[in-house]
Amino acid sequence: KAGVTQTPRYLIKTRGQQVTLSCSPISGHRSVSWYQQTPGQGLQFLFEYFSETQRNKGNFPGRFSGRQFSNSRSEMNVSTLELGDSALYLCASRVGPLGVEKLFFGSGTQLSVL
Amino acid sequence: KNEVEQSPQNLTAQEGEFITINCSYSVGISALHWLQQHPGGGIVSLFMLSSGKKKHGRLIATINIQEKHSSLHITASHPRDSAVYICAVRVQGGSEKLVFGKGTKLTVNP
Repeated sequence: KAGVTQTPRYLIKTRGQQVTLSCSPISGHRSVSWYQQTPGQGLQFLFEYFSETQRNKGNFPGRFSGRQFSNSRSEMNVSTLELGDSALYLCASRVGPLGVEKLFFGSGTQLSVL
Repeated sequence: KNEVEQSPQNLTAQEGEFITINCSYSVGISALHWLQQHPGGGIVSLFMLSSGKKKHGRLIATINIQEKHSSLHITASHPRDSAVYICAVRVQGGSEKLVFGKGTKLTVNP
């Protein structure tokens, strides 16, 4: 079984641009969550999708958005990029109910905003 | 104060040593995860705990729900264990989001 696939692996953008990142979960996994990792703040939860519905959202501005498609693939979009958005963006798919779940992470997309 | 605190922040050990990494949390949880992140970014889930103790190879994870504390132990450490170890808790009720500790950077020298 293929793992969680994130594309692209690296991305360089300039301030004010927008960016779309993609995450394909493990086949059969319907839950996809997104995280931002920076040296200063560590890992922070962005949002979680289950069967095309956003279940939870972290404390990020509205510039950060996402969606999930019927095949469980998910995209996240960041509009009007700021320097502080430079980070590693990770997605994870989850199998099993909350509390007994197993998580599988992708390799991440390293976003640099210049 | 962060909801999840890990200690130590950095840890250097000699090959073969017994290692303990601690995680304390201040919220009600439904699960606690121990994650391993190697340079390059990829994260691997080592354990999911909701009670008691789990063992996988040289790794042991324990959780004390009453004391809101978990430990990750590595026996007979090896240089390939060098990585960042991250504790994450699934917050109970409400958002049920994952909240992460800042991580413990482990270096095992040969």
